[in-house]
Amino acid sequence: TQLLEQSPQFLSIQEGENLTVYCNSSSVFSSLQWYRQEPGEGPVLLVTVVTGGEVKKLKRLTFQFGDARKDSSLHITAAQPGDTGLYLCAGRRGGGSNYKLTFGKGTLLTVNP
Amino acid sequence: GAGVSQSPSNKVTEKGKDVELRCDPISGHTALYWYRQSLGQGLEFLIYFQGNSAPDKSGLPSDRFSAERTGGSVSTLTIQRTQQEDSAVYLCASSLRVLLDGYTFGSGTRLTVV
Repeated sequence: TQLLEQSPQFLSIQEGENLTVYCNSSSVFSSLQWYRQEPGEGPVLLVTVVTGGEVKKLKRLTFQFGDARKDSSLHITAAQPGDTGLYLCAGRRGGGSNYKLTFGKGTLLTVNP
Repeated sequence: GAGVSQSPSNKVTEKGKDVELRCDPISGHTALYWYRQSLGQGLEFLIYFQGNSAPDKSGLPSDRFSAERTGGSVSTLTIQRTQQEDSAVYLCASSLRVLLDGYTFGSGTRLTVV
């Protein structure tokens, strides 16, 4: 059983469209992070959210942490080809293993020109 | 260094051979992590180092896998008697503040066992 479920698994859209990807769990996380990974590279941190209900904006990207800290979403406005990549969410469970991030399997986004 | 450096970037090895993968973290980052990324499996935790100690080795798949870190810096992941199922991208990451910071990843080592 995957601790963090990401959906959709694949998403292919046209430049200029809006999109939302989701990261869901039945477990509570002390914090949650989003990463973007491009082919042949390691994941790169985009944002960290720590408070239930928190919303953070990074240019055209909006990240939200659920009130119960079990889920998160990433919304991209007016997607561009440069947004293409694998988007990963990762959470810290708290307690003794708080040093460790658990990753979802990711959403592979393709933005076509 | 400026980023996390991993070597080699690609490694093709024959089944049964041993391989060593190297990670050079960001200078001053005390926490170091190894993950494995396989197609369709996401990032799988392998081991966590704090300084030279490894308080969590729970993700190592079998006793063929081992890792060490020396001088609070460079880490080596060793896979003995490689099997085809070991084929994956092995990612190393480091962080400064263990409970607060995100990870800075290297570009990974793509291991192919033939």
